[in-house]
Amino acid sequence: DADVTQTPRNRITKTGKRIMLECSQTKGHDRMYWYRQDPGLGLQLIYYSFDVKDINKGEISDGYSVSRQAQAKFSLSLESAIPNQTALYFCATSAAGRGTGELFFGEGSRLTVL
Amino acid sequence: KNQVEQSPQSLIILEGKNCTLQCNYTVSPFSNLRWYKQDTGRGPVSLTIMTFSENTKSNGRYTATLDADTKQSSLHITASQLSDSASYICVVSALGNNAGNMLTFGGGTRLMVKP
Repeated sequence: DADVTQTPRNRITKTGKRIMLECSQTKGHDRMYWYRQDPGLGLQLIYYSFDVKDINKGEISDGYSVSRQAQAKFSLSLESAIPNQTALYFCATSAAGRGTGELFFGEGSRLTVL
Repeated sequence: KNQVEQSPQSLIILEGKNCTLQCNYTVSPFSNLRWYKQDTGRGPVSLTIMTFSENTKSNGRYTATLDADTKQSSLHITASQLSDSASYICVVSALGNNAGNMLTFGGGTRLMVKP
């Protein structure tokens, strides 16, 4: 089983619909992240959480919200999806402390908004 | 503004040939630079990390170099295999915080190895 699991892997939806992407991890890491990847662009940070009671906006948080339900679970919501939110979304984890900062990614959730 | 630029954007080589991918960065103060490999439809996986004091590091057929003075890194792939077909992403961390919220990502180089 993957250490970082994302569901769904693929979703097609219509403009205005609410969508939730879920992420769960078995690595025991405190830090979790949601990134967005568009073709030819670097990964962009949407939201991040350093523990269950901690939620922080990333560089492109508008139109998104998150929930950290437990240490192992971090979900991303699009309250009213729009076509320019069509992208590949990645959940990632990292260990706390002054480590090397390696990110461990899920396999991605491809979202298409029509 | 911190930036990471990778070149080329895409590259096609024949199986067995060598290739070199480039990464230029303006992240300051520099902490470390990591290369990730992203197979199609998968999440990125770390290949190697370079810290300020390291010039060269190898991981099998992958060799990364770092020139902290010119703020450049390269990833050299020797004797390419079909399984090397992937995107390679350069990620730079600023000093003092290695968390995922303080990373700058390059746009990646898409490598295709043909038989």
